[in-house]
Amino acid sequence: ETGVTQSPTHLIKTRGQQVTLRCSSQSGHNTVSWYQQALGQGPQFIFQYYREEENGRGNFPPRFSGLQFPNYSSELNVNALELDDSALYLCASSLAGRGYTFGSGTRLTVV
Amino acid sequence: RKEVEQDPGPFNVPEGATVAFNCTYSNSASQSFFWYRQDCRKEPKLLMSVYSSGNEDGRFTAQLNRASQYISLLIRDSKLSDSATYLCVVNWGNTGKLIFGQGTTLQVKP
Repeated sequence: ETGVTQSPTHLIKTRGQQVTLRCSSQSGHNTVSWYQQALGQGPQFIFQYYREEENGRGNFPPRFSGLQFPNYSSELNVNALELDDSALYLCASSLAGRGYTFGSGTRLTVV
Repeated sequence: RKEVEQDPGPFNVPEGATVAFNCTYSNSASQSFFWYRQDCRKEPKLLMSVYSSGNEDGRFTAQLNRASQYISLLIRDSKLSDSATYLCVVNWGNTGKLIFGQGTTLQVKP
């Protein structure tokens, strides 16, 4: 059984650029959630996808968007990057909300 | 009021000590609760789910008080390897949206 994998592991972008982060969910999981974790804080919920539809969103602006594909993998896109977007981005997968497994995250630095 | 509140610590304890972490949540409709452990620069990993009846896993005991909207984690006989950040997590209104507390940092010293 494969776990949740995220890519890339580290990324440096310039303010104003766009970024795409990727997540492969655990085998058999149909729900993917994305979280942003700033230094010294707990993860903050960005949004969740279930069977390719967004079914929950946190307090993040529209420049944070996502997709879920038929194989349940997912992307997080962030447009017009700001310095405050620098954080660890975590993806978690579950089977219809039962038990959440996290990937090791993508550390994004915006300069 | 924060949705999930924890004392950030740090808690500095000697090996063998017993330490307790507390957490409160504001959404009374929530039904699922968890403690996650996060090591420095790593992803959170599930430590244990929390049930109304209380549950124990070795040296770890979790308790839930729905009336007070309060969750606790007790660690007995602390080990050096227990040093980490412990995150209180609530499945918000059972929506699948996990709300994390800020985390409580534990440092166990020899």
